[in-house]
Amino acid sequence: AQSVSQHNHHVILSEAASLELGCNYSYGGTVNLFWYVQYPGQHLQLLLKYFSGDPLVKGIKGFEAEFIKSKFSFNLRKPSVQWSDTAEYFCAVNARTGRRALTFGSGTRLQVQP
Amino acid sequence: DVKVTQSSRYLVKRTGEKVFLECVQDMDHENMFWYRQDPGLGLRLIYFSYDVKMKEKGDIPEGYSVSREKKERFSLILESASTNQTSMYLCASSSSAYEQYFGPGTRLTVT
Repeated sequence: AQSVSQHNHHVILSEAASLELGCNYSYGGTVNLFWYVQYPGQHLQLLLKYFSGDPLVKGIKGFEAEFIKSKFSFNLRKPSVQWSDTAEYFCAVNARTGRRALTFGSGTRLQVQP
Repeated sequence: DVKVTQSSRYLVKRTGEKVFLECVQDMDHENMFWYRQDPGLGLRLIYFSYDVKMKEKGDIPEGYSVSREKKERFSLILESASTNQTSMYLCASSSSAYEQYFGPGTRLTVT
């Protein structure tokens, strides 16, 4: 069975600070990896995804993530956060073959102070 | 633009009531999913469906059932609502490309 760990439950940053949110997964096979974001009062939306190829993927709003296969990690980064990045961030994984449903981490609540 | 709609944003039901949550997608996606979202637990999969009239249990199916009579519609049913089913319920759909699109959610309170 797959599992996803997000180590930071609540992160508070000042505007312009750099962001890195950790995500580790547990699964023996090939996976697809995702980061979703949920802004206050809004529905979950895709931030970025990794299926194959270049392990450094770029998403919307200046976010990027790096897949490190040897570490089973897919950390999310942004060089300079804005107040509008205040949201909850979820890492998710599914197997390349078989069950298509996503397994989510517990989420990281990011609060950016102006 | 993919659109996933859910029948209610907020719902309040009494213990023991039968509850129906409806989800409709407009992109002809084969796959549809129901998750519940609880603070500190992330999203957990209740049921999913790969095709019409087809369903599979997710990680926490107890106390729930589903129905998919048409490709665009996937219903979640709480046979006898209990207070521990108070939660945010999210519906999602996807094509074979695995990227899922989510609805706005239904916040269900069972009293």
